Order: sequence, then C-alpha cells, then structure tokens
Amino acid sequence: KAGVTQTPRYLIKTRGQQVTLSCSPISGHRSVSWYQQTPGQGLQFLFEYFSETQRNKGNFPGRFSGRQFSNSRSEMNVSTLELGDSALYLCASSFDSNYGYTFGSGTRLTVV
Amino acid sequence: GQQLNQSPQSMFIQEGEDVSMNCTSSSIFNTWLWYKQDPGEGPVLLIALYKAGELTSNGRLTAQFGITRKDSFLNISASIPSDVGIYFCAGLLNSGGSNYKLTFGKGTLLTVNP
Repeated sequence: KAGVTQTPRYLIKTRGQQVTLSCSPISGHRSVSWYQQTPGQGLQFLFEYFSETQRNKGNFPGRFSGRQFSNSRSEMNVSTLELGDSALYLCASSFDSNYGYTFGSGTRLTVV
Repeated sequence: GQQLNQSPQSMFIQEGEDVSMNCTSSSIFNTWLWYKQDPGEGPVLLIALYKAGELTSNGRLTAQFGITRKDSFLNISASIPSDVGIYFCAGLLNSGGSNYKLTFGKGTLLTVNP
C-alpha cells in the first residue's frame, strides 16, 4: 500500500513568486491536511480537505490556499512568497479525521 | 486555541536507558497521538490513544491517555541508537460534527549515546 506522496521534495523560489505543492494521499483516504513546520513555530495546521471541501482552516493569511480533487489528491498554493514562508510543508491523509494521520515526507520550500 | 506543552524539550541519554516524555494541555482532547520524526522526513505515527485512561504498548513504547483527557505520556524502554529523533505528541479534538483539529506539541529531541 503506497504511502502519502508529496512532490516536489525540494523547491527554491524567489520572494514574490507563487508556488504549488502536491499531495497524493493513501488510496481510500478522504481527508487531507496540510501543515507548515519551522524550527521556531513547530508544526502548524494550515487546512484540511475532505471530499473536495475545505473542512477546517488554521490561522494563516489568505496567500495560503488549497484544493482537493475528486481523486482526493490535494494541492496547496502560496502566492506572493515571503522569506518567512521557508519551511517544510507536510501533508497528512486519513480515512476520516478521527483516525490516525499518515504523513508524507514533505516538501522543503526555501524562499530567497 | 488549544496549546500543548510537551516536555522535556530535549534529552540526551545512554543506550539502554528508559525514557519518558509527556504532554499537558489546558483543554481536553478526544484522541492523543504520538509521532516520531527523523531528519528530512515526515512524522510517523507510533501510538494512538482513543479513550481516557487507555494504556497502549507498541514494542518498547508505552503511552497512556490521561484520565482527565488533558495529558498523555510516552515511555521508551531500553533505548537504542535508532530511537534518535524528534517525538511529537498531538491532540485531536472534535469540536462538533465533522470538525476535527489536530494540535501538535513542540517536540522532544531525543539523542541516544551508544
């Protein structure tokens, strides 16, 4: 059973650009959540999608957005990148939100 | 929002020693989860706890869901070098209907000296 796949693994972008990250959940998992991990703030919840609908949202600015497709794959987009957006972005999938979450290996985003 | 206080922040131990770490919260949770993260990878679920008072083991790992639903601990017995990593606790709260939110502690960095 394939795990959660995130692409790309590494990304370098320039301030002001926008970026799209992709997450393919475990087959059969309908919930996909996104987290930002930084040394200073730890793991912070961005948003959760379930059946193509955003079900929960963390406290991030509107520059951070996401979507989920009918096959449960999800993308997150960050527009107008800032240096502070440099982080490891993790995606986690679950059959439903009240079960354990399985994380992908993350996308390491560096903004220069 | 919910805050999780995880302690200790870091531990440096000798191989073979037992380890204990814990998380406390001012809010109750429906589920407690413990994860381990290796460098450059995503967190891997170690143990999930679903009921207050529940004590669950997974090999050398033992975790408990506190009776008050506001705390949890993780013990690692007879540590080995591959136990090195960052351990995170996470609390899952159902705030109504399908509204679940997972909150993470700041992590415990474990170093094992062979």
